Amino acid sequence: EVQLVESGGGLVQPGESLRLSCAASGFTFSTYAMNWVRQAPGKGLEWVSAITGSGGGTFYADSVKGRFTISRDTSKNTVYLQMNSLRADDTALYYCAKSLPGYSYGKNDYWGQGTLVTVSS
Amino acid sequence: DIVMTQTPLSLSVTPGQPASISCKSSQSLLHTDGKTYLFWYLQKPGQSPQLLIYEVSSRFSGVPDRFSGSGSGTDFTLKISRVDTEDVGVYYCMQSIHLPVTFGPGTTVDIK
Repeated sequence: EVQLVESGGGLVQPGESLRLSCAASGFTFSTYAMNWVRQAPGKGLEWVSAITGSGGGTFYADSVKGRFTISRDTSKNTVYLQMNSLRADDTALYYCAKSLPGYSYGKNDYWGQGTLVTVSS
Repeated sequence: DIVMTQTPLSLSVTPGQPASISCKSSQSLLHTDGKTYLFWYLQKPGQSPQLLIYEVSSRFSGVPDRFSGSGSGTDFTLKISRVDTEDVGVYYCMQSIHLPVTFGPGTTVDIK
């Protein structure tokens, strides 16, 4: 059974940093691209970032490019999202999502339950 | 960026009756590999999104056959042949042909 468990969310002040983690199980982690998708309170879904199975390719939404960094550790079956220079409009529930086989981004089949990031002074 | 639009934005359905949601993209989602990268998700209240349909019309594992997807190019439709009470939630279409991946605004389905 595929499981994705996010952690690392919390309340931070504008300008601060946070690192999210997503622990994966139930599939061969290194084979699949992984994504982060966020949902602001009461709003729709916004794709944030993706990383290929090998980790050699990374992709970002313009809204986070230069501030967020996605990475993965195959030995820990974990994908990370390092978030720097956080802003109020980064406040959202952050989901980790796995891609369908053979794709580098998007095309998400399984999603975690999300971790909440709140940026406020 | 590819803009995804959905109509209607809300839908109230009697159980057992059909329902239909339209999704339109600002550019064709047909890739040179022959696949069309249009996906449908359902986010039930208080839950994370779940994949219903991938590549326009393929039902994901475990999805009831009352859900079906159709369309091509820029115009797509999700149909529920007989709505069940467990189908309530927000339905999103998503495109993955070009970065950034973009979602429609969502269609809220509730039961009359």
